[in-house]
Amino acid sequence: GAVVSQHPSWVICKSGTSVKIECRSLDFQATTMFWYRQFPKQSLMLMATSNEGSKATYEQGVEKDKFLINHASLTLSTLTVTSAHPEDSSFYICSAIRDRGHEQYFGPGTRLTVT
Amino acid sequence: QQQVKQSPQSLIVQKGGISIINCAYENTAFDYFPWYQQFPGKGPALLIAIRPDVSEKKEGRFTISFNKSAKQFSLHIMDSQPGDSATYFCAASMSIAGKLIFGQGTTLQVKP
Repeated sequence: GAVVSQHPSWVICKSGTSVKIECRSLDFQATTMFWYRQFPKQSLMLMATSNEGSKATYEQGVEKDKFLINHASLTLSTLTVTSAHPEDSSFYICSAIRDRGHEQYFGPGTRLTVT
Repeated sequence: QQQVKQSPQSLIVQKGGISIINCAYENTAFDYFPWYQQFPGKGPALLIAIRPDVSEKKEGRFTISFNKSAKQFSLHIMDSQPGDSATYFCAASMSIAGKLIFGQGTTLQVKP
């Protein structure tokens, strides 16, 4: 149980275009989902916290107009990178929690390459 | 104060040896300290976690030692195997379901 999936697993897009990444909790309802970014050989940095039906809370330094997060249902959150640039190339990882008494379950990650 | 400092950055251990990774934190409000294992191109997977009211927790070959007064905790991997070669991250948060602050990561290589 507690499986989190991401789609796509790998995406290449051209500079200036937008790309959407999906995060799904497959066998539980996620009250909260987190989005992380990980650059090569670096640690995970929290970008934002999203709760179903409400606006995401972004960490300091993360551009909310560039990284649009929508948590439209209890099993799906999406991250849209708008007007992507090469410096946005990174590994994006989501996690989900079912309730306050359980740990985060991480997705497999999405590799974004912006050319 | 939100940082979690992890060392060493990289570690090479012979098969069968003990791998030890250390982390230190400043924020005494942290209440949950997990360790994650990550293979290249994959998301992190929870290995083992501890709360500050316990000084040690063991699960199989993995042990967390926790020193609340020193604000330090460490991961010990006993009988290290080549399959343990991965990047390990410590983390801390205010609660089991709270925002995680990750350490810098340790790349472990276990030589056969």
